[in-house]
Amino acid sequence: GQNIDQPTEMTATEGAIVQINCTYQTSGFNGLFWYQQHAGEAPTFLSYNVLDGLEEKGRFSSFLSRSKGYSYLLLKELQMKDSASYLCAVKGGYQKVTFGTGTKLQVIP
Amino acid sequence: DTGVSQDPRHKITKRGQNVTFRCDPISEHNRLYWYRQTLGQGPEFLTYFQNEAQLEKSRLLSDRFSAERPKGSFSTLEIQRTEQGDSAMYLCASSAPGQGPDTQYFGPGTRLTVL
Repeated sequence: GQNIDQPTEMTATEGAIVQINCTYQTSGFNGLFWYQQHAGEAPTFLSYNVLDGLEEKGRFSSFLSRSKGYSYLLLKELQMKDSASYLCAVKGGYQKVTFGTGTKLQVIP
Repeated sequence: DTGVSQDPRHKITKRGQNVTFRCDPISEHNRLYWYRQTLGQGPEFLTYFQNEAQLEKSRLLSDRFSAERPKGSFSTLEIQRTEQGDSAMYLCASSAPGQGPDTQYFGPGTRLTVL
């Protein structure tokens, strides 16, 4: 089975940097995704990691350590529009993707 | 817009009624997924199609739930004899193998309320 843990809520200040952690225990691993979900909307894809290391995409970066079962999403230069839930999701065997419960990020002025 | 579309966006029904939702994936995507999401939770996998074949179905999915993708394009999810616990957002996603990490792209969802 799959077990994914991430903090429930975080608060950060506009313009700052925030790191959202995700730990996972899975019976198979074929990659880890991060999605952003604004309230009442569908999840939108942010990043994908399958090898260890850091993937950078603009203000967003994602890191993976497969040996530690650990990932983080780093958001730089926070903007008010970044207030959303951030979902960590692991692709296990075949095509099944298991999502964590999400981290609700509130960006304050 | 060529994204994933879902219909209806909202559905209110009485307990015991049957409901059917439709999902139209991105046109070149041959993989289609259904998820259910309740407040404060991440999407929960329900089932997955590759073309018209249903390849995986969650053990959590009771016999009241059925999904089809008859021509390998759009899909329908039917819930029979709805219960109040079925109230949730039902999300559809699609993906295409061979395009990088086979990322799933989500539709806007159908919000079901069972009274």
